Order: sequence, then structure tokens, then C-alpha cells
Amino acid sequence: EDKVVQSPLSLVVHEGDTVTLNCSYEVTNFRSLLWYKQEKKAPTFLFMLTSSGIEKKSGRLSSILDKKELFSILNITATQTGDSAVYLCAVEAGGFKTIFGAGTRLFVKA
Amino acid sequence: GAVVSQHPSRVICKSGTSVKIECRSLDFQATTMFWYRQFPKQSLMLMATSNEGSKATYEQGVEKDKFLINHASLTLSTLTVTSAHPEDSSFYICSAGAGAGYGYTFGSGTRLTVV
Repeated sequence: EDKVVQSPLSLVVHEGDTVTLNCSYEVTNFRSLLWYKQEKKAPTFLFMLTSSGIEKKSGRLSSILDKKELFSILNITATQTGDSAVYLCAVEAGGFKTIFGAGTRLFVKA
Repeated sequence: GAVVSQHPSRVICKSGTSVKIECRSLDFQATTMFWYRQFPKQSLMLMATSNEGSKATYEQGVEKDKFLINHASLTLSTLTVTSAHPEDSSFYICSAGAGAGYGYTFGSGTRLTVV
């Protein structure tokens, strides 16, 4: 059965801390892994990862994929209160099937 | 932690029939639930927002008579795709929240195929 597991489910940190969010997966015919940030309604796209070992960066956020160990991490450095959100990991598999993880709820305290 | 159960995970139906998708919050009361749709290689598209006991608010371009949303209790919202057509084939996912400041939890999604 295809599945995507995110950890931790929730996390509380202080401003300035660095956090690492984890996403492991078991799917058939892996195509890509995506990270989203959800604050209010629709999640906003962060990264798409298709190749192992290539780090993607956007400001204080970065992500990397390990297709051998079947996981990805999302790092956020120097966290700010505006980073408080639910971070979703999703894996696209064969047949345009998308499997979502349950998300990690991050709360950054001022 | 907050858990949202979505059922069924996948369904195949004939053109012209209706399909109901359920979204349940298992350990919290969901005052607000969102329904999304995702086409291949695209991001999630918000379809509608439903609040318990009131009519759903549909996003522009979403036919409310085709995608019926019912949020009759604080733990259950349903999306019914009426008179389904092959172009309705998609991935539908719900998310539920307990209110402002509590965040939202996603269901596992439903893959609908209309043949």
C-alpha cells in the first residue's frame, strides 16, 4: 500500500531556531516529491524534488531527497513567527496518483 | 493528534452516476472543512469551504449544483459529485480545522475515476 509518513506531527520552536521536517514514503513508480506550506486555505507550493542529493533552496527553506532511503527533509533556518503553518509532503506516483502525508504543524513562538 | 479520515480512497464509477466522498474528523470537532481538487501535475485547487450548519462557500468556477457539499455535523462533511463525467476524474482531498489558530489537517484523499 502506498503511503507517506511525516514526522513530527507537530513542533513548537522559538524564533531563530532551525527545524527539520521529515517525510518518508513507500510508493510504486515514484515520480516526484512535493512540499507545501499551508497557512489558511489552499497550500502553497514550496519545492518539487525528483532527483536524489540535489538540494533545493528558497531563502531560509531548503529540501533534499534521498531516493535510496525513500525520504526527504525540509529545513527551515532562523525561523520566524510567519513560518508557523502546516507543512505537507506529497508524493506523485505512477498514473498521476498523489499521496499526501498528514502534515507537520509548526508553531514558532516569538 | 488531529486525525482526518477520508473515504473512499479510490472509486471508479460510470458516467452519469453520483459519487459521495466522506471526510471525518476523528478526534476533534471541525468547524471548518475545505475541499480541494488536484489535476495531474498541478497543485491543489480549493473548491469550497464549508462551515458546520451553513451553506458551503464555493470558489469561482466551481459548480455548486454539481459538487454538493454537506457539513451537517462537527465531525463530518461530504462531497457528492453528481452526474459524474470523465472530466470529473481527479484527486479530491479534504482538510478540516477546529477553528482559527488550530491549523488544518488533511485527509488522505480520494482518487475518482469516471468511465
